[in-house]
Amino acid sequence: DTGVSQDPRHKITKRGQNVTFRCDPISEHNRLYWYRQTLGQGPEFLTYFQNEAQLEKSRLLSDRFSAERPKGSFSTLEIQRTEQGDSAMYLCASSLETGISNEQYFGPGTRLTVT
Amino acid sequence: DQQVKQNSPSLSVQEGRISILNCDYTNSMFDYFLWYKKYPAEGPTFLISISSIKDKNEDGRFTVFLNKSAKHLSLHIVPSQPGDSAVYFCAASVGSGNTPLVFGKGTRLSVIA
Repeated sequence: DTGVSQDPRHKITKRGQNVTFRCDPISEHNRLYWYRQTLGQGPEFLTYFQNEAQLEKSRLLSDRFSAERPKGSFSTLEIQRTEQGDSAMYLCASSLETGISNEQYFGPGTRLTVT
Repeated sequence: DQQVKQNSPSLSVQEGRISILNCDYTNSMFDYFLWYKKYPAEGPTFLISISSIKDKNEDGRFTVFLNKSAKHLSLHIVPSQPGDSAVYFCAASVGSGNTPLVFGKGTRLSVIA
């Protein structure tokens, strides 16, 4: 297995446009997480899934954001009507439901720039 | 309100010496504490973790110490190597399963040859 993958790696969009990112987790992992990281900050939790069920959403996840994991495998994160404040690195991570060390495995991220 | 705080934005250490990275937290409900390392243009990579019922965990050159009464943990790297130069994030989570992580802002470690 090659780890968590994310696509695209970079996205430049104009304000007001919609964007969609994809995350493919490690195949046997049933939990999938989305985080956002801005300059000088650590990753901030957005939402997570167990299989296809969305278990929790952060208050950071405004109504313009929606995430899905339709078959319990890959996930998509859509941002509608993008704003300049949405510019950030969007990180996906996956894990087993339980683990010895509670570790999550991160993908390389999608860097979004809203102009 | 920052629940996990890394008060040192950067740290420089000579190769072969000990690197000590510090982290403070405010939420007494945290059950697990983790350290991640991040290189530019890559996602964070898990390094080491510790359960709240322990006070020390060691893995090769990396040791994490937890002081629950002080709500403080530290990561020791001995000996430091140039390849350790990266941003280190402290993270914490509530609950026994794999739950969302709360991260600090990170500390940039530079190991000088």
